[in-house]
Amino acid sequence: DIQLTQSPSFLSASIGDRVTITCRASQGTSSSLAWYQQKPGKAPKLLIYGASTLQSGVPSRFSGSGSGTEFTLTISSLQPEDFATYYCQQFNGYPYTFGQGTKVEIK
Amino acid sequence: EVQLVESGGGLVQPGGSLRLSCAASGFTFSNYWMHWVRQAPGRGLVWVSRIHNDGSTTSYADSVKGRFTISRDNAKNTLFLQMNSLRAEDTAVYYCARRYCSDGSCYLDYWGQGTLVTASS
Repeated sequence: DIQLTQSPSFLSASIGDRVTITCRASQGTSSSLAWYQQKPGKAPKLLIYGASTLQSGVPSRFSGSGSGTEFTLTISSLQPEDFATYYCQQFNGYPYTFGQGTKVEIK
Repeated sequence: EVQLVESGGGLVQPGGSLRLSCAASGFTFSNYWMHWVRQAPGRGLVWVSRIHNDGSTTSYADSVKGRFTISRDNAKNTLFLQMNSLRAEDTAVYYCARRYCSDGSCYLDYWGQGTLVTASS
């Protein structure tokens, strides 16, 4: 199975900050990686697919990059509605594993 | 509008069974692979199972293999998850999700609201 490790697991940031979350895979996943945002009590919401393609309707302050084993999700200027938990997921092979999550909280 | 609505969750004793349903609308259900993902209270997302659009192929996480069965009824636009021999560690919110593929990439683009399964005596 492909293991995904996100760092950091917890992040405290202020409005307007640039935030970067890393997802490292235990083996190459090409560009078959997606990022989701989840708020408490809600289903996950797709942000990025194919490592770097922004899902329709997602604000342009979100961006993704990387390939192979290292990927990043960047929020260029953190907004109040961005405080949530973020997960990466690989689609290179079953099981379609998730990272453990990164919780972004207000400083 | 694409909608996925799960139902069937509840409280069940360890060793018991439960059948989850996911009613799909707003898209041609038979064209898409479907997945189940779960989330234990306060924990992260865990992929559980998937089924090919015609039901011919299925896959499971090792933790549920042999106990859970995924199936679908394309005539009724409904996805199912039959859960047998439930354990305390199966307690979670269960989400159904649609898999979409474009430009060589696949992802889960629509998710239901989730249904809570609690395995406890």
